[in-house]
Formats: sequence, C-alpha cells, structure tokens
Amino acid sequence: GQNIDQPTEMTATEGAIVQINCTYQTSGFNGLFWYQQHAGEAPTFLSYNVLDGLEEKGRFSSFLSRSKGYSYLLLKELQMKDSASYLCAVRDRYNQGGKLIFGQGTELSVKP
Amino acid sequence: DGGITQSPKYLFRKEGQNVTLSCEQNLNHDAMYWYRQDPGQGLRLIYYSQIVNDFQKGDIAEGYSVSREKKESFPLTVTSAQKNPTAFYLCASSTATGEETQYFGPGTRLLVL
Repeated sequence: GQNIDQPTEMTATEGAIVQINCTYQTSGFNGLFWYQQHAGEAPTFLSYNVLDGLEEKGRFSSFLSRSKGYSYLLLKELQMKDSASYLCAVRDRYNQGGKLIFGQGTELSVKP
Repeated sequence: DGGITQSPKYLFRKEGQNVTLSCEQNLNHDAMYWYRQDPGQGLRLIYYSQIVNDFQKGDIAEGYSVSREKKESFPLTVTSAQKNPTAFYLCASSTATGEETQYFGPGTRLLVL
C-alpha cells in the first residue's frame, strides 16, 4: 500500500526559515508534489520532484531523496501570507494508473 | 483567462436529496478528477476521468456518480446513498500524458440541512 506522513502543525516566526518534512512509502514512485492551500481555498501547485536533489523556486525549495522515501519543503524569509496548509502528494504508477496520493497536510502558522 | 471553475461555492443538501456539483475547465486538459477534503485529512480521490466518455472509481466512490460527456465538463452527483456528504469538494484537471501537474478549482463546500 501507500503511506504519506507529514507533521500536522508547525509554527515559525516571520522572516525565519522553516522546513516541512514528508516521508512516503510507495511501490512505484513516479514523482512528488507540494501544494499550498489557504483555508477554504483550492490547493495551488508549488513544486514537483521526480529525481533526487533540490529544486529551488524563489523563496521556496523542495528536496527529494528516493532511496530514503523523503522530501522536504523549505520556505525562506517567511511572510505572514505563508500561513497555510502545505500538502505533500506522491504519484504511484501502480495506484489507479498513477494518480496522486495526498498526505494530511501540515498547517503552518507564521507569527510576527 | 484559462482555468477551472466550480459552482456553486456553497451547496446545501436535504435528507434524501441528490445534488450535483459543477466543474468546468478551459485548459484543454484531458484528465479531470474529483476529491473530497475533510478536516484533518488529506484529499481523497472520488472519481477520475482520463478521456471523454470514460471514468474510473477512486478510493471513495460509493454514494457518488459522475459523467464525462464533454472534455470541458466533469459534474459530480452526490446521491442520497452518501450518508456523510458534508465536506469540501475539489475538482482538478491535468494533461493526460507525461509528468502532469494537477490544477485545482476553487472548491464547493457541501453542507447537509
């Protein structure tokens, strides 16, 4: 089966750096996605990793280690508007034709 | 503007009633998806469709039905058989080939009266 774990909640200070971890177990890994979701709104795409290493996009970076079944999302220079839920999702080619499996999300609170 | 639209934003259902949630996209995407989101839980896949006139059950299809008569449209019906329908429903779409990213609509919140 598949399993995705990420912390339920995290708190950080404005201007700081925060790392949100995601571990997964899947038999046919075929890519990992990070989404940001503000309360009551749709998830918006942040990043995609399919090979090991770091992908950087402005203040956000995402890292993947396939051998460890591990990813993290790094947010730098935190702003109040970064307070949101961050969803880790994995594509498994053996699961319903490669559909996404989502973790429960990590609720990030940014304090002044 | 290209994107995905869902309507209505809020929907109320009475006991024994079927309700239909709309999802439309003008991104020319082949694949469309319906997810359900409950507090403290991840998104769970209800149904998905990779091509017109074809769709597949997801993890929690019981009590739901869909149709895909047009590429742009993928409506979801929540039937009276769904005993716990209160949730946030999200529609998504993606290109059907390659390492596609799913893009989400704004969601419909369904409440039971």
